[in-house]
Amino acid sequence: KAGVTQTPRYLIKTRGQQVTLSCSPISGHRSVSWYQQTPGQGLQFLFEYFSETQRNKGNFPGRFSGRQFSNSRSEMNVSTLELGDSALYLCASSLGSRDNEQFFGPGTRLTVL
Amino acid sequence: TQLLEQSPQFLSIQEGENLTVYCNSSSVFSSLQWYRQEPGEGPVLLVTVVTGGEVKKLKRLTFQFGDARKDSSLHITAAQPGDTGLYLCAGALGGGSYIPTFGRGTSLIVHP
Repeated sequence: KAGVTQTPRYLIKTRGQQVTLSCSPISGHRSVSWYQQTPGQGLQFLFEYFSETQRNKGNFPGRFSGRQFSNSRSEMNVSTLELGDSALYLCASSLGSRDNEQFFGPGTRLTVL
Repeated sequence: TQLLEQSPQFLSIQEGENLTVYCNSSSVFSSLQWYRQEPGEGPVLLVTVVTGGEVKKLKRLTFQFGDARKDSSLHITAAQPGDTGLYLCAGALGGGSYIPTFGRGTSLIVHP
């Protein structure tokens, strides 16, 4: 079956703009988690959505938000972009139980100029 | 401060050598996972360890979870160029919510 897909793969924005990233999970998976990966901080958890509800949240400012649709597809939005938001944004899907394996997408590379 | 410290940060070796990477913490984890990430891709799960002292083998890879569930190691025997990648450990603290914590990773290059 198809893996996790993320669009777009690459994005260039300027400071102050906003951006929306999209993630389509594996068919049947109801949980989608978002992560930010940078060389300095590594992979950091942003939030997790399950059945259209935010179930867990990491320690990121309110400029980072997300949502999940009834078909489990998820979007992540970052408003008022800062230079430090430049990163690889990864989404991962799973069946939703704590011990279920997460399957990661290839990520969206965001560059903020 | 990183909850999970991985060492070494970088490793460059020749094909056929053995290596060990470490994942250490002062916290106790209910489970710990190892991932490998290749350039341009997302991390791929290699193994999950849940029991203190547990040892799991995956072909040439051996994973060990410390007795106190605070640390883990990954040993690769006879490394091959295909093992090249970023190795990440990730831990889950106990409790109701699940917020995974990742180490910064060990970047491994295996030269033919």
